[in-house]
Amino acid sequence: RKEVEQDPGPFNVPEGATVAFNCTYSNSASQSFFWYRQDCRKEPKLLMSVYSSGNEDGRFTAQLNRASQYISLLIRDSKLSDSATYLCVVTLTGGGNKLTFGTGTQLKVEL
Amino acid sequence: DTAVSQTPKYLVTQMGNDKSIKCEQNLGHDTMYWYKQDSKKFLKIMFSYNNKELIINETVPNRFSPKSPDKAHLNLHINSLELGDSAVYFCASSQGAGLAGPEQFFGPGTRLTVL
Repeated sequence: RKEVEQDPGPFNVPEGATVAFNCTYSNSASQSFFWYRQDCRKEPKLLMSVYSSGNEDGRFTAQLNRASQYISLLIRDSKLSDSATYLCVVTLTGGGNKLTFGTGTQLKVEL
Repeated sequence: DTAVSQTPKYLVTQMGNDKSIKCEQNLGHDTMYWYKQDSKKFLKIMFSYNNKELIINETVPNRFSPKSPDKAHLNLHINSLELGDSAVYFCASSQGAGLAGPEQFFGPGTRLTVL
């Protein structure tokens, strides 16, 4: 079983739609959680950190459920520029800031 | 004003050759990393250095040897290149390597093709 699992997609949605991505992680010792975004043929960039209390940044909302080992990302009012691959990322306690990436979920926002 | 830079951007070489990739960051960070992204787009850490000291060394063939001459540079040398080494190699940096997981900034990647 992969350490971090995501639905690879692609998710094809119309502009303005709300889309949700899910992610599960296998190691209960996971300490920190993030969503990174990677555009085609570009480097990954941090989108947002994920906290147990949930957090929101504009149109983006991230949630963490430690009991279920589940992380989510919700994008509201999606824009063409949101088209990218969204990577779920966790770090382990004592892992020396080693990021463990999911395989990513591809999003395509269409007119 | 590039934050994390890598050279070369593209590298095409024959099997069996030895090659190096260089990485430099001007963010003043003390921790640097090498990641490999394979053809299936799976991104996996290879090495991490904190203040020039190796702190993460994943199960990577010993043909791969990182070298950190100073905090701002982390190079990757690969001996006897194999077809399976073809991938995109990303360098990253962060300030600190603690449990809180500080943000990592990635370089643009080096696309290595082994023929």
